[in-house]
Amino acid sequence: QVQLVQSGADVKKPGASVKISCKATGYTFSSFGLHWVRQAPGQGLEWVGWMNPGNADTAYSQKFQGRVSITRDTSARTAYLELSSLRSEDTAVYYCARGPPGWLRPEYNWFDPWGQGTLVTVSS
Amino acid sequence: EIVMTQSPATLSVSPGERATLSCRASQSVSNNLAWYQQRPGQAPRLLIYDTSTRATGVPARFSGSGSGTEFTLTISSLQSEDFAIYYCQQYDNWPPYTFGQGTKLEIK
Repeated sequence: QVQLVQSGADVKKPGASVKISCKATGYTFSSFGLHWVRQAPGQGLEWVGWMNPGNADTAYSQKFQGRVSITRDTSARTAYLELSSLRSEDTAVYYCARGPPGWLRPEYNWFDPWGQGTLVTVSS
Repeated sequence: EIVMTQSPATLSVSPGERATLSCRASQSVSNNLAWYQQRPGQAPRLLIYDTSTRATGVPARFSGSGSGTEFTLTISSLQSEDFAIYYCQQYDNWPPYTFGQGTKLEIK
């Protein structure tokens, strides 16, 4: 079945970078967009960015521009989210989520399914 | 950026009863609205997209309605597994995609 399996929890110091992975199984990796959404402790959901795994096109929330990067390894069917210059406010669970079928553009996307989430803690 | 506002923040309903959750957009999002369910310690799960289309495997007791700026998620007869947090998401205006702050559905 379709699954997105993410890397494990990580703890970083302020100013450091973190790289989270999301491995896709059960479908053609390059045929669906891939998003990243985060959720701070006890808070709501916040969209971070998107990638077309087929051609590596990306789009990011302006809030994270300049310190976020989404990449992929097609042979490993894995997408990566890297966030730099970490601050305490970046402490959150980061989810990858697939975009709609038959649609490889960043707009007009809902998200299904979601990975299990990766907790990133930023603390000195 | 479109602001999504959900109400109420917490809804207390007895099992077997109907629950009605609301979501309002700060400007029209046409019918480009989705609903997600999040149980404690779990990732969100897509329930409804395009305002009223149930995702694969979602029980028929879940239904969505609305258009423009006002949307509703209705759960016709609450089961124990339905007590969770529900989020709406607009995907009409991007970037960014935006979510409501959530409605917690709790057992009365």
